[in-house]
Amino acid sequence: DTAVSQTPKYLVTQMGNDKSIKCEQNLGHDTMYWYKQDSKKFLKIMFSYNNKELIINETVPNRFSPKSPDKAHLNLHINSLELGDSAVYFCASSHTTNEQFFGPGTRLTVL
Amino acid sequence: GQQVMQIPQYQHVQEGEDFTTYCNSSTTLSNIQWYKQRPGGHPVFLIQLVKSGEVKKQKRLTFQFGEAKKNSSLHITATQTTDVGTYFCAGGDSGAGSYQLTFGKGTKLSVIP
Repeated sequence: DTAVSQTPKYLVTQMGNDKSIKCEQNLGHDTMYWYKQDSKKFLKIMFSYNNKELIINETVPNRFSPKSPDKAHLNLHINSLELGDSAVYFCASSHTTNEQFFGPGTRLTVL
Repeated sequence: GQQVMQIPQYQHVQEGEDFTTYCNSSTTLSNIQWYKQRPGGHPVFLIQLVKSGEVKKQKRLTFQFGEAKKNSSLHITATQTTDVGTYFCAGGDSGAGSYQLTFGKGTKLSVIP
């Protein structure tokens, strides 16, 4: 069974569109995260959720909004996509401050 | 905010040579974690260090956490082609009231057979 899953794996879309990426974890973890990895492979934390509360919100544009319907899911919605949003987005989960388990990633390409 | 610097950015070694990557934090850390990302893959947790001066070994990998809990290193002995990938350190900081993990920029290791 996949511990942290993301859909879709690839996403190609036009500038200005709105898109969502879904993430689910079956590990029973209490904290979930979204990371952006750019072309230089730099991993930057975007959001984290602990028990449905946003506890870290880095200076990302408000076009990005995380949605957590329950403890096992943290979806990422992006409005008005821009060229600079092209990257690989990773979802991760952990139990408190312990090791993070990453999903396989979603490669977003904005044309 | 917390900054985690990692060097070198790239390292090319001949198979069988040793490899070391270094991590330095601008603040004292609660813990440090190391991850490995294979080309085209996702980061995979390797280890977590918590105590000042801690040293942990995993087969050919040796991890150290500095006495001041501001720096760390990962050393691989006798590299193999399976070691290829990007190694990230990630510093954990609970100082601001909520826990935050900050990743270094990673060291990309290439192993020449």
